[in-house]
Amino acid sequence: GAVVSQHPSRVICKSGTSVKIECRSLDFQATTMFWYRQFPKQSLMLMATSNEGSKATYEQGVEKDKFLINHASLTLSTLTVTSAHPEDSSFYICSCYGTGGSGELFFGEGSRLTVL
Amino acid sequence: GENVEQHPSTLSVQEGDSAVIKCTYSDSASNYFPWYKQELGKRPQLIIDIRSNVGEKKDQRIAVTLNKTAKHFSLHITETQPEDSAVYFCAARLPFAGNQFYFGTGTSLTVIP
Repeated sequence: GAVVSQHPSRVICKSGTSVKIECRSLDFQATTMFWYRQFPKQSLMLMATSNEGSKATYEQGVEKDKFLINHASLTLSTLTVTSAHPEDSSFYICSCYGTGGSGELFFGEGSRLTVL
Repeated sequence: GENVEQHPSTLSVQEGDSAVIKCTYSDSASNYFPWYKQELGKRPQLIIDIRSNVGEKKDQRIAVTLNKTAKHFSLHITETQPEDSAVYFCAARLPFAGNQFYFGTGTSLTVIP
């Protein structure tokens, strides 16, 4: 298996501020991490693929200047929601492949962002 | 990217009955199809998966079937129990670049005791 840790689990911020969410692989190195967004009672929408040491690949319709992704090490990827607005309120969840080549995707605990 | 559709969006069954959830995908290049169970406010957990070179896989009460020609796959849960109540997501993985996963819209399963 694999352990993926995400922090913070909940964050409340004022409109216009920026929020950083961290995703760590605790017991393995992850060259690739995925960031998803999930609205209440909806599916997991892939936002971007975070690649260690290079720029993230964003899905169509996701603003890369709005959702800054940094993958500076093999165990840490961060998502920064810049100038957050109420419509950015959502559940953000990261994921990555574990070791062993099984192809299974492991998820972090998720971060619930509420923008007032 | 891939487009994954999932039906039904909600499903209620009596305890002991079977539940079936169906998904279709659009890109024939997808080669791996996992199913995840997500309880409220928690992270998705893998319950079963199937690869494109296999037509069916079973693990105790859970089974998954794949029809590559029709590009659809299904989750079957037999002898359902109240603890099976959760949201289930299917997914398809494209074997390009970062091997991204694309998820279906989810099925909220309620098992009535």
